[in-house]
Amino acid sequence: EPEVTQTPSHQVTQMGQEVILRCVPISNHLYFYWYRQILGQKVEFLVSFYNNEISEKSEIFDDQFSVERPDGSNFTLKIRSTKLEDSAMYFCASSGRRAAFSGNTIYFGEGSWLTVV
Amino acid sequence: GENVEQHPSTLSVQEGDSAVIKCTYSDSASNYFPWYKQELGKRPQLIIDIRSNVGEKKDQRIAVTLNKTAKHFSLHITETQPEDSAVYFCGQGAQKLVFGQGTRLTINP
Repeated sequence: EPEVTQTPSHQVTQMGQEVILRCVPISNHLYFYWYRQILGQKVEFLVSFYNNEISEKSEIFDDQFSVERPDGSNFTLKIRSTKLEDSAMYFCASSGRRAAFSGNTIYFGEGSWLTVV
Repeated sequence: GENVEQHPSTLSVQEGDSAVIKCTYSDSASNYFPWYKQELGKRPQLIIDIRSNVGEKKDQRIAVTLNKTAKHFSLHITETQPEDSAVYFCGQGAQKLVFGQGTRLTINP
């Protein structure tokens, strides 16, 4: 069964450093997402991406965050200057020909655990 | 905007009993309501979903009911088993898919 894959599984970074989290969505999917889950809390929407541009973003997704699809397979989340409160599990997700909110199943990756020290 | 409230935050039931988790939402434009199960340290995985043109959907021991007038939907798990122990998140989508706060379900043997 196709899966969303993410790297790294765990990253420790110094406060103020830039971090890039990488994702390979399911190959025939067109909608891509990043979600964040702080330890013990809910899964929070960050951003959705379709047709090479951001389609929706939350208030969490400020100027420190950016997303990119640099080639035909990868989807990245960059945090420019990490803060302690950015420590969380970051989930990449994808859905098929329709957006998740329209009823297409959203598939999550295993997550990248980011620890900012 | 899109906001979904989920209750209870924790739920403990005896093996074999039923479990019910409820969510309420505010955005009347929402038309898609999935439920995800997240085991400790794992990714959320879809267990069942319902669209706004349906009032109830069932898949073996799991069912979801939707009341669009009252803006709430519920997950029902019957004949619970130890492997049902996990955190369950409801979701709702209009312009984006957002999740409730989660319910930690514990099945006691």
